[in-house]
Amino acid sequence: GAVVSQHPSWVICKSGTSVKIECRSLDFQATTMFWYRQFPKQSLMLMATSNEGSKATYEQGVEKDKFLINHASLTLSTLTVTSAHPEDSSFYICSARLAGEDNEQFFGPGTRLTVL
Amino acid sequence: LAKTTQPISMDSYEGQEVNITCSHNNIATNDYITWYQQFPSQGPRFIIQGYKTKVTNEVASLFIPADRKSSTLSLPRVSLSDTAVYYCLVGDKRDNYGQNFVFGPGTRLSVLP
Repeated sequence: GAVVSQHPSWVICKSGTSVKIECRSLDFQATTMFWYRQFPKQSLMLMATSNEGSKATYEQGVEKDKFLINHASLTLSTLTVTSAHPEDSSFYICSARLAGEDNEQFFGPGTRLTVL
Repeated sequence: LAKTTQPISMDSYEGQEVNITCSHNNIATNDYITWYQQFPSQGPRFIIQGYKTKVTNEVASLFIPADRKSSTLSLPRVSLSDTAVYYCLVGDKRDNYGQNFVFGPGTRLSVLP
């Protein structure tokens, strides 16, 4: 089956630093990847949609200059949280979609970010 | 953009059949219904997807009435390991799936011994 990985699985950083999270589709090519954020006891919230080779589309209320998304290849998308603050602490989850109209999203295992 | 409504939580006992119903009154013609399972600190896992009538796989069944305004996920003989949050989503797979893929609060299922 289609597998999506994320790295790192967890990260702790100091306030003001930047953190990069990688999302990889291991055994398929993903033309579209999605980034979600999930706070404790809450549902997933879509942050942005990333298409290979083009700029990401951000959801309303998500700062594109703070959450930098790069989808440089068909198997890799990165999310960089710039100048992280404690309120950015959350569970970040990516998903990837196969090319074609009848394919589901495959979710990664998530990355736990804690900003001190 | 079809929104969904599910019960916030449900309790069940091991070995019982669990049915979780999701309402999606504004479902569009091209929308599919998809259910995901999520364990704490893990990404969602696909369970089942359907468009109409009944769909069955090795882990669950999905019942969709003719008007498609609701759907019911059926988990046969649940075990403790089925304790998780279950999300019902509707969206058009052809139309930038992600932007139509809105996660509601989900149903927190607790399976008791």
